[in-house]
Amino acid sequence: DADVTQTPRNRITKTGKRIMLECSQTKGHDRMYWYRQDPGLGLRLIYYSFDVKDINKGEISDGYSVSRQAQAKFSLSLESAIPNQTALYFCATSDRGVAKTDTQYFGPGTRLTVL
Amino acid sequence: AQSVTQLGSHVSVSEGALVLLRCNYSSSVPPYLFWYVQYPNQGLQLLLKYTTGATLVKGINGFEAEFKKSETSFHLTKPSAHMSDAAEYFCAVSDHNFNKFYFGSGTKLNVKP
Repeated sequence: DADVTQTPRNRITKTGKRIMLECSQTKGHDRMYWYRQDPGLGLRLIYYSFDVKDINKGEISDGYSVSRQAQAKFSLSLESAIPNQTALYFCATSDRGVAKTDTQYFGPGTRLTVL
Repeated sequence: AQSVTQLGSHVSVSEGALVLLRCNYSSSVPPYLFWYVQYPNQGLQLLLKYTTGATLVKGINGFEAEFKKSETSFHLTKPSAHMSDAAEYFCAVSDHNFNKFYFGSGTKLNVKP
């Protein structure tokens, strides 16, 4: 089984609809992240969470919200989807560890299309 | 603020040829540096990382990268390309607290037979 799972894998929706993307992890990591990937722009950080009570905005948080329901679950919501939110969304986890050699582990991605 | 520049959005090499993917960073202090690979329809996988110690870092699948502080670079190389290396490669940096990761725009590697 995959360590980081995302649901759904693909979603097509219409402008104005509310959408939730879900991420679950079995790695036991404290830190979780949401990124979006656009061609030619790489990955950009939307939100990140260091534990259930610690949620922070990334560089492109406008139009998005998140919920850390448990250590293992981190959801991303688009309250009112718009076409320029069409992108590939990735969830990632990381663990500081004693050695402080943090590494991010990525889910398989969710391809979202907003019409 | 930190930033990452990957020179060349597409690189094409012949099978067996040297692979060189370029990454330069901008940071007030030397950051921690990473290379990730993304195969089609998959998430990103860590290839290698530099945190401290030896500046030449070896990763999986025969890749290596060298941290050059004077050039603010962390270029990725592989002596001999294989068809299975065709993928998109991302350079990333983080601060020493690993609070945030900043990714480059990616380089798509094409390997010709």
